Amino acid sequence: AQKVTQAQTEISVVEKEDVTLDCVYETRDTTYYLFWYKQPPSGELVFLIRRNSFDEQNEISGRYSWNFQKSTSSFNFTITASQVVDSAVYFCALSRNTPLVFGKGTRLSVIA
Amino acid sequence: GAGVSQSPSNKVTEKGKDVELRCDPISGHTALYWYRQSLGQGLEFLIYFQGNSAPDKSGLPSDRFSAERTGGSVSTLTIQRTQQEDSAVYLCASSFRGDSPLHFGNGTRLTVT
Repeated sequence: AQKVTQAQTEISVVEKEDVTLDCVYETRDTTYYLFWYKQPPSGELVFLIRRNSFDEQNEISGRYSWNFQKSTSSFNFTITASQVVDSAVYFCALSRNTPLVFGKGTRLSVIA
Repeated sequence: GAGVSQSPSNKVTEKGKDVELRCDPISGHTALYWYRQSLGQGLEFLIYFQGNSAPDKSGLPSDRFSAERTGGSVSTLTIQRTQQEDSAVYLCASSFRGDSPLHFGNGTRLTVT
């Protein structure tokens, strides 16, 4: 069975702080995909990144970076110099031949 | 281009009534998904359509729930004899193919009174 755990239910940071959102997954598959989605207060889920299980290179996109470690089954997401607009619920998800299995999400509040 | 469109955006219904929720996926996307998000909860998978294959209905919580996808495009999720525990946001998503990123609609907020 596939499972995604986001142990942090809520995180609150002050603007410009760095913050890391944890994601741990379980799967017996050797080939799979990992995703992060953002759900701002408006409600629409926005795709952020997809990573396949054979690519362990870390990725950076602006203030966002992702650290994928197969050895610990983790796919953590770091926001550098957080901004108020980063306030949202962030979901980590796992897929192998779909459908996506989502974690319960981490609610991030960035305070000005 | 247009994103995934869902209607209605809000639906209030009385317990015991049937409801239909509609989803227009992105043109050209072969895969269509329905998820449910209850207050403060994660996303619960309901059903998945891929091309002309038989749908994956493994997430439907009871036989009161059904969905169809006509002509490989528009999908309708039907909930019969609604119960208060059916209250949630119902999200539709589409993707170009399996394992491609999902594109979500804004959801339908269903309230059963």
